[in-house]
Amino acid sequence: DTAVSQTPKYLVTQMGNDKSIKCEQNLGHDTMYWYKQDSKKFLKIMFSYNNKELIINETVPNRFSPKSPDKAHLNLHINSLELGDSAVYFCASSQLQTPNSPLHFGNGTRLTVT
Amino acid sequence: KQEVTQIPAALSVPEGENLVLNCSFTDSAIYNLQWFRQDPGKGLTSLLLIQSSQREQTSGRLNASLDKSSGRSTLYIAASQPGDSATYLCAVEGVWDNAGNMLTFGGGTRLMVKP
Repeated sequence: DTAVSQTPKYLVTQMGNDKSIKCEQNLGHDTMYWYKQDSKKFLKIMFSYNNKELIINETVPNRFSPKSPDKAHLNLHINSLELGDSAVYFCASSQLQTPNSPLHFGNGTRLTVT
Repeated sequence: KQEVTQIPAALSVPEGENLVLNCSFTDSAIYNLQWFRQDPGKGLTSLLLIQSSQREQTSGRLNASLDKSSGRSTLYIAASQPGDSATYLCAVEGVWDNAGNMLTFGGGTRLMVKP
């Protein structure tokens, strides 16, 4: 009964490849997010989708393309992977229409690009 | 642009001590401030959320305070236990013109509680 689940947990791939990370939430939330945590442990928002519509896109290269087929899913597709893409990617969700609704995070996907 | 800073970056204490983690932010126009806990290889768990109109929130041995005007928050952990060892992250949700709550995170404080 995991609230926010993302797969895979680990992803090792070579430069230039294309990969996807999937995220699903069963909390009934209307908003989902992707955060990137770099090697220094700083978390930064990448994208936010509300009811399947993109509402936040924070200076992320075009190689990153989020896809939200429905409110419960937000997948992250990355083209032409680069070494600098190595990080832990966290999916999160919240209920935007409820003020001060806390974010619920998935366990993260550790991406290693070699 | 909002910036969030956490001090100290790392902290090691013996079991049983009371401790304080600090968080500061540069833009006081916030909706709320949240404290998260991150365990190695795990996601983030929300510990406490303080709304901008509140001064503090308590949950068990945790107490978080918020001084919005000075851009500061503290997380107080009473009677620390080895199980409290984790990274604690502070994040603020800002007031933006467009819809979409967006958290800005601090770099975290890595806490180790020694038995």
